[in-house]
Amino acid sequence: RKEVEQDPGPFNVPEGATVAFNCTYSNSASQSFFWYRQDCRKEPKLLMSVYSSGNEDGRFTAQLNRASQYISLLIRDSKLSDSATYLCVVANQAGTALIFGKGTTLSVSS
Amino acid sequence: DAGVIQSPRHEVTEMGQEVTLRCKPISGHDYLFWYRQTMMRGLELLIYFNNNVPIDDSGMPEDRFSAKMPNASFSTLKIQPSEPRDSAVYFCASNRQGMNTGELFFGEGSRLTVL
Repeated sequence: RKEVEQDPGPFNVPEGATVAFNCTYSNSASQSFFWYRQDCRKEPKLLMSVYSSGNEDGRFTAQLNRASQYISLLIRDSKLSDSATYLCVVANQAGTALIFGKGTTLSVSS
Repeated sequence: DAGVIQSPRHEVTEMGQEVTLRCKPISGHDYLFWYRQTMMRGLELLIYFNNNVPIDDSGMPEDRFSAKMPNASFSTLKIQPSEPRDSAVYFCASNRQGMNTGELFFGEGSRLTVL
């Protein structure tokens, strides 16, 4: 089983739609979780951290379920500029390096 | 401040040739990471350094790959000899004090094509 698994998509949605991405991780000892965004032919950049209690940043909501080893990202009111690949990321057990999922591609159309 | 700087941005080479990729991390960052990205395998961690010392190289695919960090401002990833399956985008990233904030700062990547 891969350490971090995501549905690759693509997710094709119209502007204004709500879309959710899911991710599972294999190491139950992992302590830190994140979502990164990667635009086409660019480097990945941190979108947001994921906290046990769930957290919001504007239109973006991240949630963590430790019992199920499951992470989610919800994007509300999608914008054209949200089109990108979203990478689910888990810190290694030592907390010193990041393990990336293969990413879920989102395409928002007008 | 300048971000992570990688060179070359693009390299096309023939099978069997030596390839050297270079990285200058952000000043003051004590962790440096090398990742490789392909469509098939996604973003894979190859090796990382803390204070110029290699900590975990278990992701380095074969003995053909080697990485060094002679000082805090420079690292190299070398492939010798290169093979077509090494074609990928190689990213260097750095941060301060490991994963406390989860923010890795990536360079723009080196796109390698081995013919």
